Amino acid sequence: RKEVEQDPGPFNVPEGATVAFNCTYSNSASQSFFWYRQDCRKEPKLLMSVYSSGNEDGRFTAQLNRASQYISLLIRDSKLSDSATYLCVVNMVLRGGADGLTFGKGTHLIIQP
Amino acid sequence: DVKVTQSSRYLVKRTGEKVFLECVQDMDHENMFWYRQDPGLGLRLIYFSYDVKMKEKGDIPEGYSVSREKKERFSLILESASTNQTSMYLCASSFSRGTGNQPQHFGDGTRLSIL
Repeated sequence: RKEVEQDPGPFNVPEGATVAFNCTYSNSASQSFFWYRQDCRKEPKLLMSVYSSGNEDGRFTAQLNRASQYISLLIRDSKLSDSATYLCVVNMVLRGGADGLTFGKGTHLIIQP
Repeated sequence: DVKVTQSSRYLVKRTGEKVFLECVQDMDHENMFWYRQDPGLGLRLIYFSYDVKMKEKGDIPEGYSVSREKKERFSLILESASTNQTSMYLCASSFSRGTGNQPQHFGDGTRLSIL
């Protein structure tokens, strides 16, 4: 089983709509969760951390369900500039006890005018 | 703001050359990472370092080595470049706080082509 799984999409969504995507993770001991955004041919950038109680940042809402081991991202009132690939990210412990991250392969979102 | 700087955005090298990719961060981060990203394969960890002069293999270390002589600098070395090492290379850094809740911050990436 893959460590972090996401639907690759693409999700084609009209501007102004609400869109949600999930990801699942395999390591039940995972403690930290993030959503990153990656634009075409650019580096991944941290969008938001995901907290146990759920959290919101403007039009973006992240939720964590530990029992089912999935994380969700909801985007309200989508903008053309939201078009990007969204990476689901989960922490892992590397050799030497270093903090590492496992990245999903990303969900491609296209907002259409 | 965290700044992670990679030495080149685009690089073209020949098969068999020794290639150096440099990465510098200005946030006094303990951890530094090298990934490669290929279509359909996502981000794959090559090597990482959690302290000066410390280095550990990631998931795909074959054909690569690294150097961390100073805390702010982490170098990736392709010992003898091959065409299958053509890829986007991304450097990242993070704090080590022992809680696991540390995001990584990425450089702009280096698009490396091996001819």
